[in-house]
Amino acid sequence: AQKVTQAQTEISVVEKEDVTLDCVYETRDTTYYLFWYKQPPSGELVFLIRRNSFDEQNEISGRYSWNFQKSTSSFNFTITASQVVDSAVYFCATYRAGAGSYQLTFGKGTKLSVIP
Amino acid sequence: NAGVTQTPKFQVLKTGQSMTLQCAQDMNHNSMYWYRQDPGMGLRLIYYSASEGTTDKGEVPNGYNVSRLNKREFSLRLESAAPSQTSVYFCASSEVDRGRETQYFGPGTRLLVL
Repeated sequence: AQKVTQAQTEISVVEKEDVTLDCVYETRDTTYYLFWYKQPPSGELVFLIRRNSFDEQNEISGRYSWNFQKSTSSFNFTITASQVVDSAVYFCATYRAGAGSYQLTFGKGTKLSVIP
Repeated sequence: NAGVTQTPKFQVLKTGQSMTLQCAQDMNHNSMYWYRQDPGMGLRLIYYSASEGTTDKGEVPNGYNVSRLNKREFSLRLESAAPSQTSVYFCASSEVDRGRETQYFGPGTRLLVL
């Protein structure tokens, strides 16, 4: 069975600080996907990224970056120069497909508060 | 483009009542999803549809049925609602472009089962 652990329940940073959200996953599959999602206080859900297990290159998108390390089963998310608008709950997830089922497992989320 | 729309936004049911949550997307996406999010919890996938006419179970399909009769719409039905189904339900659709996936979420439906 898959499992995603986001050990940091809540993090507070001061605006402009960098912050890294940890995600550790467990899977027996060789092919899988990893995801990050954002849920602001408004409650909407925002998709951030999907990463294939074969692609270990780091990804950067503006102030966001993701570090995928198979050796440690981690897919960490870093926000550089954090802003108040980054305050949200962030979820990490992993996916595998099986016969007749689509297994997408989420972590419990990390609540990030960016203080002005 | 409206993106992903969900109706209703809020619903109160009594135990045993049935209802259908509607979801539609106007982005011509093949993949669609239904999730539930319980208070203080992460998301759990209920059902997934890779294309019109196909559906796959997710992590928590029991108590739900889905229907993907066309590319645009993906409905979720509760045949006999139970208090344990009190949750916020999110529908989503996704596309993969040159190996990169992007998912789009609806605003959610808050369901209270008494």
